[in-house]
Amino acid sequence: GAGVSQSPRYKVAKRGQDVALRCDPISGHVSLFWYQQALGQGPEFLTYFQNEAQLDKSGLPSDRFFAERPEGSVSTLKIQRTQQEDSAVYLCASSRDSTYNEQFFGPGTRLTVL
Amino acid sequence: SQKIEQNSEALNIQEGKTATLTCNYTNYSPAYLQWYRQDPGRGPVFLLLIRENEKEKRKERLKVTFDTTLKQSLFHITASQPADSATYLCALRMDTGRRALTFGSGTRLQVQP
Repeated sequence: GAGVSQSPRYKVAKRGQDVALRCDPISGHVSLFWYQQALGQGPEFLTYFQNEAQLDKSGLPSDRFFAERPEGSVSTLKIQRTQQEDSAVYLCASSRDSTYNEQFFGPGTRLTVL
Repeated sequence: SQKIEQNSEALNIQEGKTATLTCNYTNYSPAYLQWYRQDPGRGPVFLLLIRENEKEKRKERLKVTFDTTLKQSLFHITASQPADSATYLCALRMDTGRRALTFGSGTRLQVQP
């Protein structure tokens, strides 16, 4: 497809379960970002990849959060031992290269932790 | 502390009028500022970018101003239409070294027919 895709679109997890969220960026885009968006708030930065290198993970809220992009295209955000406060929409965005400023966002994955 | 503030109250205007949304920031020196549109259940969509050395940017019915002295950006939609109803987010990028965007909480615009 032409845009950023994310799967699943909705995920319900019981507290303590591990989840994995997938992002397929626009083909050829070098930069990839993950954001967390709580209800009624703007997206908050989690982590950034340039190709397969994770250059910034300063926004990850705890060591339960882990992201990877092993081949420089698809990325996975993993949350271990989910907590209720992890409930949010997780957005993925990609950008053409490291200097191009416009970010293209996917539709997000809504995670609900019960 | 660093803050980006957008009016949390919804802005209701009549079709055909100009909508003006405000983004204020404190304790930042952004390299540039962006505006995004977000519809319910969807990711943000990029609208406009304005750099720190630019005062104004236009694109069709959209206009953005950037005042680094006042630490404020104004976003205008002229001849507004009901289809413009959405949440509008401003986002700052702090410097060219760090790629992350810092977003405001957004302002919901409702254009009445």
